[in-house]
Parts: sequence; structure tokens; C-alpha cells
Amino acid sequence: EVQLVESGGGLVQPGRSLRLSCAASGFTFDDYAMHWVRQAPGKGLEWVSGISWNSGSIGYADSVKGRFTISRDNAKNSLYLQMNSLRAEDTALYYCAKDMAERPSSGWYPLDYWGQGTLVTVSS
Amino acid sequence: EIVLTQSPGTLSLSPGERATLSCRASQSVSSSYLAWYQQKPGQAPRLLIYGASSRATGIPDRFSGSGSGTDFTLTISRLEPEDFAVYYCQQYGSSPWLTFGGGTKVEIK
Repeated sequence: EVQLVESGGGLVQPGRSLRLSCAASGFTFDDYAMHWVRQAPGKGLEWVSGISWNSGSIGYADSVKGRFTISRDNAKNSLYLQMNSLRAEDTALYYCAKDMAERPSSGWYPLDYWGQGTLVTVSS
Repeated sequence: EIVLTQSPGTLSLSPGERATLSCRASQSVSSSYLAWYQQKPGQAPRLLIYGASSRATGIPDRFSGSGSGTDFTLTISRLEPEDFAVYYCQQYGSSPWLTFGGGTKVEIK
């Protein structure tokens, strides 16, 4: 059974940093791209960042580019999101999600498994 | 960047009725790289449709997707009580980004 478990969320002041983690199990982690998707309270889904299976391709939403860094450790079956210079508008539930395609040559694919999310609140 | 516009914002229907949800892209979506997700309150999204018309694993056949280019449709042939939720379309593929539409809420009339 595929499981994605996020952690690291919490209350943080504007301008500070936070690191999210996602522990994956139930599939061959290093065969799949992984993503972070967020959802502000009462709002829709917003893709934040994605990383290919071999970390060779990384993408960011314009809203977080230059402030957030995605990474993965295939030996630990883990995905990370380093969030710096946090703003109030970064307040959201952050989901870790698995890409559907196994070792594609390029591109992103649909997200077939999602975690339950970790809540990040940016407030003074 | 492709912008996805979903309509209507809210759809009020009764169980047993047919639901038709629209997703329009600001430019052509290559290779019909369009997916649909369902999200219920307090739950993570669930993949329903990918490639514009292929059902994901375990999705009932009352859910169907169609369309190409810039216009896509999700149809729920007969609404079951568990189908009342928010639905999102998503564009994927060679773009450096993944893009979601704003969502359509299907509520009980």
C-alpha cells in the first residue's frame, strides 16, 4: 500500500524558515517524480514544486521560486521542501504527492497518490 | 503558462442526475494531458481521470472525461451521494509547471 506521510508543519513568523518532510512507502520511491501541492484555507489547489525521479529536473511555481527548495533522498525514501522567507500568503495545507509515470524521459504526469498534508501557518 | 478556467463554480443537482463540468484552457493542451481530481471535505484529492478520458484505477464508470485542445469535460452520469464534492482539472506534461483549475463544487440541490 502506497503511503505518504508529511511532517514539519507548524506556526512560524513571517520571514522565518521551515522544512517539510514526506516519508514514502509502498512503492519504489526512486522510480517516480514527487511533488508538493498546497491548499490555502477554503481555497483551491496550487502546485508548489516538483522533482524528477533522479533529481535531474526540478520546477517551481512563480509564487515560491527563489524562496523554496525541493529535494529528495532516495536512500531514505524521503521528499523535502525547504521554505525560506515565509509570507502570510504561504499559509496552507501542504500535500506531498506521487507522480504517476515511472521514470519518464521528461515532464510531469498526474498525481496518483497524495498524503494527508501538513499545515503551515505564517503569522506573527 | 496555461491557465485553466472551470465552470460553473457551483453545480446544484440531485442524486441520480447527470453532472457536466467544464474546464477550458487558455491555450491548447498538448496530447490531451488533462486530468481530473475529486476532493471531499477534510480529504486529500483523488485522481479520477488522466489523458483527458482514461479512468484511474478503481474509479467507477459513471465518471467519464472527454475533450481535446482547449475544451474538456468531466461527466458524472448518475450522481451518487458520495459524488458531492469539489472537482479540479489539471494540466500536465512537458510544461515546467503543473496547473490546476479553480474547481467546481457539486452540491446537493
